[in-house]
Amino acid sequence: VLTQSPLSLPVTLGQPASISCRSSQSLVSSDGDTYLHWVQQRPGHSPRRLIYMVSNRDPGVPDRFSGSGSGTDFTLTISRVEAEDVGLYYCMQGSRWPLTFGGGTKVEIK
Amino acid sequence: EVQLAESGGGLVQPGGSLRLSCATSGFTFGNFWMTWVRQTPGKGLEWLANIKEDGTDTYYVDSVKGRFTISRDNGKRTLYLQMDSLRVEDTAVYFCVKGNWADHWGQGTQVTVSS
Repeated sequence: VLTQSPLSLPVTLGQPASISCRSSQSLVSSDGDTYLHWVQQRPGHSPRRLIYMVSNRDPGVPDRFSGSGSGTDFTLTISRVEAEDVGLYYCMQGSRWPLTFGGGTKVEIK
Repeated sequence: EVQLAESGGGLVQPGGSLRLSCATSGFTFGNFWMTWVRQTPGKGLEWLANIKEDGTDTYYVDSVKGRFTISRDNGKRTLYLQMDSLRVEDTAVYFCVKGNWADHWGQGTQVTVSS
């Protein structure tokens, strides 16, 4: 089970924001890798992956987004929130079957 | 550019069937696992099924096992989801997703199960 917090995150433009994702089991897979990814869903759009395998940014993702963590605790950080960052953020794990998603965090501007 | 385009959604009565398709382009389809994910307002995102590159292995979440069938046609670069014995709780937006790591998503297709 992936538990995200907070459920809702009001932030001020230009300020940092962090989202936590905690797993009930270690996400280190049998091959030694950790398949924890982060997905963004802007209003009215389909999801888009931002970060893969904990800390690797996808092409085109601004460097204000970063991922960190290990084992069971992971964090997505936005260094300076911009208006286009509003939306839902999900962690997802591919280390164990079935693949699962966190419940989501809604980022909104104060 | 990777593109995934779902089709086949719509309104169906409980107990009915639908077949979703996902036409793909911009990558070598036959080299990747493919995935179906659905989204509901109440349950968020839910992984449904995966299929291996050559179609020989498939995996399903328990809630759809025995009712949904994932398949693919590598020659047509198309992914399918056959949905039988549909229930009201299957109402959702269904997404086609590239790979097991969800690196690209389609725009989704709405499935509504209602009498």
